[in-house]
Amino acid sequence: DADVTQTPRNRITKTGKRIMLECSQTKGHDRMYWYRQDPGLGLRLIYYSFDVKDINKGEISDGYSVSRQAQAKFSLSLESAIPNQTALYFCATSDSDSFYGYTFGSGTRLTVV
Amino acid sequence: AQSVTQLDSQVPVFEEAPVELRCNYSSSVSVYLFWYVQYPNQGLQLLLKYLSGSTLVKGINGFEAEFNKSQTSFHLRKPSVHISDTAEYFCAVSHSGGYQKVTFGIGTKLQVIP
Repeated sequence: DADVTQTPRNRITKTGKRIMLECSQTKGHDRMYWYRQDPGLGLRLIYYSFDVKDINKGEISDGYSVSRQAQAKFSLSLESAIPNQTALYFCATSDSDSFYGYTFGSGTRLTVV
Repeated sequence: AQSVTQLDSQVPVFEEAPVELRCNYSSSVSVYLFWYVQYPNQGLQLLLKYLSGSTLVKGINGFEAEFNKSQTSFHLRKPSVHISDTAEYFCAVSHSGGYQKVTFGIGTKLQVIP
C-alpha cells in the first residue's frame, strides 16, 4: 500500500455540488498539506495542518475547507464546486521532528463541469 | 517570503546528451532546497534535497544539483539523459527552521528526444 493514499483518483462533478477529497497516510507524520496543481502555475498551497487541532489557511483557501479527522486523515472539501476548481489535487505529509521534504500522494484529478 | 523561479518551462534534449534545469530562489533566511520529479499521471517524487553540508547533492536516477548561495541557485544536472527521464521537474524551497512550508516553482518539462 502507498504511504499516502488519496481517494478518489478521478472525479467529475457538476457546478454547485459539494465534494470531498480524502487523504490518509501510514507514514506516522504529524503534518499534512493540500496543494492544487494547475498547468503553468506549479503547486499552490490550499490548507495545512500541523496536528489534529492546528489547521491553517494556505495561499488559495477561498472556496475550500478541510477536516483533520485523525493524525492520519486529512480531507479537503469544496462546498460548492465551480469550474475554475478543476485541477489536480495533491495531499502531502511531513514529519516535524525530521524534515526531509514532503511525501506526496498520487493525486486526485477533479473536473467541475 | 520565499519564492522559486524556474527559468525554463520546457527543455527538449536528445537522448544521452547532458541536461541542466535551472532554478533560482529568493529568501531572507537560510533555506532547504529540493527537486521533485513528476512522471505522467503520477504524484511528485523527491529527487534530491539540500539541507546543509556539501553543496553538491546527488539524488536518484543519476541526477545531481549544486547549491550556490551567492547566486541563490540550485540547478539540476544529469550528464546523460534517458527516454525514461521525460517528466516534469519541480524546484522547491523552504525555510530551514520550524515551519516546513514548501514553495514550489512552476515546473520544467523535460522532453527527451530519441
